[in-house]
Amino acid sequence: AQKVTQAQTEISVVEKEDVTLDCVYETRDTTYYLFWYKQPPSGELVFLIRRNSFDEQNEISGRYSWNFQKSTSSFNFTITASQVVDSAVYFCALSEESGSRLTFGEGTQLTVNP
Amino acid sequence: GAVVSQHPSRVICKSGTSVKIECRSLDFQATTMFWYRQFPKQSLMLMATSNEGSKATYEQGVEKDKFLINHASLTLSTLTVTSAHPEDSSFYICSARVRGFSNQPQHFGDGTRLSIL
Repeated sequence: AQKVTQAQTEISVVEKEDVTLDCVYETRDTTYYLFWYKQPPSGELVFLIRRNSFDEQNEISGRYSWNFQKSTSSFNFTITASQVVDSAVYFCALSEESGSRLTFGEGTQLTVNP
Repeated sequence: GAVVSQHPSRVICKSGTSVKIECRSLDFQATTMFWYRQFPKQSLMLMATSNEGSKATYEQGVEKDKFLINHASLTLSTLTVTSAHPEDSSFYICSARVRGFSNQPQHFGDGTRLSIL
């Protein structure tokens, strides 16, 4: 069975601080995909990144960066110089195929205060 | 990019009413669509996988007769909450997989907020 754990239920930071959201996963599959989604108060899911299990390279996209560590089954997400608009719930998710059913973590509510 | 439209975005109705939610892929064909449910301050839980032209596959604990899913075309899947009760109040969100591109991420609709009085 697949499982995704986001131990941080809520994080509150002050604008311009860096913040890291943790994600730990469990799966028996050798091939799998990891995702991060952002869910603002309006409810829609915004796709941020997909990473397959064979690609352990870290990725940076603007203020966002992701650290995939297969050895510790973690896929952490860092926001650099956080902004108020980053306030949202962030979900880490796992699937056996990129387009198949997703197993979501419990989500981390990030609040960035001015 | 691929767009998934979900309608309605919000529904408020009386207990006992049946509510239909539509999920449409606007610019692509989707042989597979997924229906998720999210209670307040909780995660998204997969309810069922909808396959065009065949019966939906429901997750354990999800009542088939309560949540009717129809995927009659390659661009439309519907979820009907039958005889809805207050405990069915939730955020329902669908996603679709592009036909022939199983390696691509799912595309999500904007969700439907269902409130049963």
